Amino acid sequence: GDSVTQMEGPVTLSEEAFLTINCTYTATGYPSLFWYVQYPGEGLQLLLKATKADDKGSNKGFEATYRKETTSFHLEKGSVQVSDSAVYFCALYGGTSYGKLTFGQGTILTVHP
Amino acid sequence: EADIYQTPRYLVIGTGKKITLECSQTMGHDKMYWYQQDPGMELHLIHYSYGVNSTEKGDLSSESTVSRIRTEHFPLTLESARPSHTSQYLCASSEFGSKETQYFGPGTRLLVL
Repeated sequence: GDSVTQMEGPVTLSEEAFLTINCTYTATGYPSLFWYVQYPGEGLQLLLKATKADDKGSNKGFEATYRKETTSFHLEKGSVQVSDSAVYFCALYGGTSYGKLTFGQGTILTVHP
Repeated sequence: EADIYQTPRYLVIGTGKKITLECSQTMGHDKMYWYQQDPGMELHLIHYSYGVNSTEKGDLSSESTVSRIRTEHFPLTLESARPSHTSQYLCASSEFGSKETQYFGPGTRLLVL
């Protein structure tokens, strides 16, 4: 079946550092890929998405490129802020899990001033 | 801007009580979902619906039940709460053909004593 694997957390960075959170997936066909963010005490918000190979999703300084050859969708940001501290979830739609999102396990990001 | 609401936000209740968690959305979305989020952050799909009078069980077995009598409303009921039901419950909705961009409510944090 479909699966999403995220890098082990938690991730702790200083403000203005470069961020990468790795995400790889297993799915048949051509799934859509997503990054969601969950701030403390809140639900999930869509951060960015990509619906086909080589697409780049971007939002709020975050970027991720859909790499079908490496089945990856790594999240990056050039300069993180304290306000980016949250839990980040990679997810896919499509493949064999038709009609449902498949989420990774989540990565906690903490940014210190 | 997504408009999906959950009440209550927090609930502390004794074992054996019947509870209903409310979820409403004003976007006219056909698809709605309930997720259980454990303390380790991982999300588990417990129920979903593709429209009025449609309900399906998700990937994680749950003792809860759901109903979908109106498009905008998708309540979740626990007939007899137990401490093992202590968790955060997230409701989400999406539109058919949207490549599964799900919009999440703020969540209900449930504590069963």
